[in-house]
Amino acid sequence: SQQGEEDPQALSIQEGENATMNCSYKTSINNLQWYRQNSGRGLVHLILIRSNEREKHSGRLRVTLDTSKKSSSLLITASRAADTASYFCATDATNSGYALNFGKGTSLLVTP
Amino acid sequence: DTGVSQDPRHKITKRGQNVTFRCDPISEHNRLYWYRQTLGQGPEFLTYFQNEAQLEKSRLLSDRFSAERPKGSFSTLEIQRTEQGDSAMYLCASSYPPGLAGGPYEQYFGPGTRLTVT
Repeated sequence: SQQGEEDPQALSIQEGENATMNCSYKTSINNLQWYRQNSGRGLVHLILIRSNEREKHSGRLRVTLDTSKKSSSLLITASRAADTASYFCATDATNSGYALNFGKGTSLLVTP
Repeated sequence: DTGVSQDPRHKITKRGQNVTFRCDPISEHNRLYWYRQTLGQGPEFLTYFQNEAQLEKSRLLSDRFSAERPKGSFSTLEIQRTEQGDSAMYLCASSYPPGLAGGPYEQYFGPGTRLTVT
């Protein structure tokens, strides 16, 4: 079953703007990960944040995690056309061998 | 290392036929996962292996599905008597075991095998 739910489902911005995507989940987690999927290509890992971490940065990416609210956000700063993709949050169930539960994703379109 | 590879990339089959997909993980990863992704959805977990042992199977993995990882390296996923509802992208991922020092670790995904059942 899909544990994570991303919001919004679709987002359209112009190059240079920031994009924020949110993810909510239902059960306790060990960590939360964000993945990107370009049209016709595989899933690419972006960032992993552990349950005891609150914020993490990687290049133009900033991820926050609020375990009390069971939510996370992904911020992409200074977006580029190449950032156009679907973005998924994935949580691993503490009792499921770290198999990932993905949401339905946010479809991001960055126009020049 | 060139990452996780999957073969074939595309498969079209008629309903009722059997199909088999192969996944070659990153060589030093002993965890291997299979997921299925349908249009507009995120991937859904099917099963995973640690070395050659299949440790968990999702309820999505019906009796028509079987997965193996005979020598703890590559894995195969077979679907018997395919149905139109089996049409999806089948994704394989590998990782270090989460309990390894420095973990947990991200999963690296292959490009997937797109199955179309006509």
